Amino acid sequence: DTAVSQTPKYLVTQMGNDKSIKCEQNLGHDTMYWYKQDSKKFLKIMFSYNNKELIINETVPNRFSPKSPDKAHLNLHINSLELGDSAVYFCASSQTSGTHNEQFFGPGTRLTVL
Amino acid sequence: GEDVEQSLFLSVREGDSSVINCTYTDSSSTYLYWYKQEPGAGLQLLTYIFSNMDMKQDQRLTVLLNKKDKHLSLRIADTQTGDSAIYFCAESIWNTDKLIFGTGTRLQVFP
Repeated sequence: DTAVSQTPKYLVTQMGNDKSIKCEQNLGHDTMYWYKQDSKKFLKIMFSYNNKELIINETVPNRFSPKSPDKAHLNLHINSLELGDSAVYFCASSQTSGTHNEQFFGPGTRLTVL
Repeated sequence: GEDVEQSLFLSVREGDSSVINCTYTDSSSTYLYWYKQEPGAGLQLLTYIFSNMDMKQDQRLTVLLNKKDKHLSLRIADTQTGDSAIYFCAESIWNTDKLIFGTGTRLQVFP
């Protein structure tokens, strides 16, 4: 009965490959997010989707393409992986109600690009 | 601008109080949050405060907000070893779905 789940938990791949990370939430939330956490633990938002529609795109390279087949899923596809893409990627969801934005986070996917 | 700063490290003895500080710049913030991240895990919401409040207490946690100085703090009473983690403050940006997270404070509790 995990609220926000991500797969895989770990992903090790070579530079130049294409990979996807999947996220699912069973909370019935309308909004989902992808965050990147770097080696210094700094957490930065990448994308936000509300009811399958892109709301936030924070100047992320277009090698990153989020896809939301339905409001319970937000997948992240990354083309032509680079060394600098190594990080922990967190999915989150929220039921935004006005300005209160309590976000629920997944366990993270640790991506290592060799 | 959107900038949230925290001190990087805090070390306390078990049983003492911990105070983690946060400063933010966006005056339109409506809610401010404290999240906890344990090693290898995602972020877990601890507590939050609405911007028209100046204090909120929740068991061992006390949040203080000084809106004039844009300063937020989290006090953990009777700190335990299980409180060792990274603590993030975050501000919600008015009229958006964005949360801006602070740089995180690593709390280490020693016996």
